[in-house]
Amino acid sequence: QITLKESGPTLVKPTQTLTLTCTFSGISLNTSTVGVGWIRQPPGKALEWLAFIYWDDDERYSPSLKSRLTITKDTSKNQVVLTMTNMDPVDTGTYYCAHATSYDIEFDYWGQGTLVTASS
Amino acid sequence: SYVLTQPPSVSVAPGKTAKISCGGNNIETKSVHWYQKKPGQAPVLVVYDDTDRPSGIPERFSGSNSGNTATLTISRVEAGDEADYYCQVWDTSSDHVVFGGGTKLTAL
Repeated sequence: QITLKESGPTLVKPTQTLTLTCTFSGISLNTSTVGVGWIRQPPGKALEWLAFIYWDDDERYSPSLKSRLTITKDTSKNQVVLTMTNMDPVDTGTYYCAHATSYDIEFDYWGQGTLVTASS
Repeated sequence: SYVLTQPPSVSVAPGKTAKISCGGNNIETKSVHWYQKKPGQAPVLVVYDDTDRPSGIPERFSGSNSGNTATLTISRVEAGDEADYYCQVWDTSSDHVVFGGGTKLTAL
């Protein structure tokens, strides 16, 4: 059974750095063609892809947010970490991590999501 | 960058068929995935690789992809199908994930 769970602060102040952790089980990021991505949804708005990391540490980022994002993995802990610098109120939303199996990057398993509010 | 265009809303009577479109330049050359998103819940993959269904997804959900339009079809719509639906592709030219803007399905 594959499960993912996001954790991190629920409230961050503007200009601060957000660090979110995705802890998963039932998958191994040592396996080829496997990766984990981050997606967010601001209140009342659409899903927005943020970043993706492959099993071999290759990384991809949303072009509009690339300068603010870093995605890393710790295979020994079964974790993927996303950092987002210079948080702004427009970054408020629910942040999801999700697993993808193939190079077509369909997200077949998702975490429950974590709500992050950027406010002073 | 690659853009996916969805209608903001689709309404259908229960028991009828709903079709949700996803437009993109030459989208038929890409693998299209569809997600169902209900308030307070994580997205659920309902169709992947244009036409395939994950285990546990009813056969009422089907997909197609031709030309510049991919379509999610939901047959015999039920009240429980009310949700936002998103299409998604992996744009190989830029190596980026792209989501459509989402379509709100209402069962009248």
